[in-house]
Amino acid sequence: DADVTQTPRNRITKTGKRIMLECSQTKGHDRMYWYRQDPGLGLRLIYYSFDVKDINKGEISDGYSVSRQAQAKFSLSLESAIPNQTALYFCATSDPFFDTQYFGPGTRLTVL
Amino acid sequence: AQRVTQPEKLLSVFKGAPVELKCNYSYSGSPELFWYVQYSRQRLQLLLRHISRESIKGFTADLNKGETSFHLKKPFAQEEDSAMYYCALSGRGSYIPTFGRGTSLIVHP
Repeated sequence: DADVTQTPRNRITKTGKRIMLECSQTKGHDRMYWYRQDPGLGLRLIYYSFDVKDINKGEISDGYSVSRQAQAKFSLSLESAIPNQTALYFCATSDPFFDTQYFGPGTRLTVL
Repeated sequence: AQRVTQPEKLLSVFKGAPVELKCNYSYSGSPELFWYVQYSRQRLQLLLRHISRESIKGFTADLNKGETSFHLKKPFAQEEDSAMYYCALSGRGSYIPTFGRGTSLIVHP
């Protein structure tokens, strides 16, 4: 679904570097989410936001921070990247009626 | 707390065979259950949700509150069904989903 986009699509960085992953959506949804996907662990929720002024920690927020710059934009930051943050990161929105999640294409992050 | 368990990491079948991907959940309130699918090199997308009681691509899933299950079924698997399948749960009105660990379905020709 091209309505949810993520940049960059791939990123390789070094331990200790600050990284920002960006997510934009044109679906007009208020609710946005960040997940990480690891083999064998499925999707785990990092942060979620129900509107611009509402930010909440998810299951695994340690080491991450987020910024909701506008209804359409939700960024995820790794302040000081570490190797075990190597994963596939997904942004998602959810519709207001059925709570269906709409995912971006993912960002593959490698921390060396 | 809400929890979703997909007991099989991998399910391997031959084309034309029936398929059942298991999903069990734990939640004290009224759950909203979903199945999402991720085909190779594609993003996750909704397959079906229990409130719609629909059949998508031949797949169905019935919510069994007594057994707290939401198993995904298809009577005759096709090669194009090969993908990763995730079961997910949201508490009604909470909008905070929990995903299972996923089951990789491989359909052999």
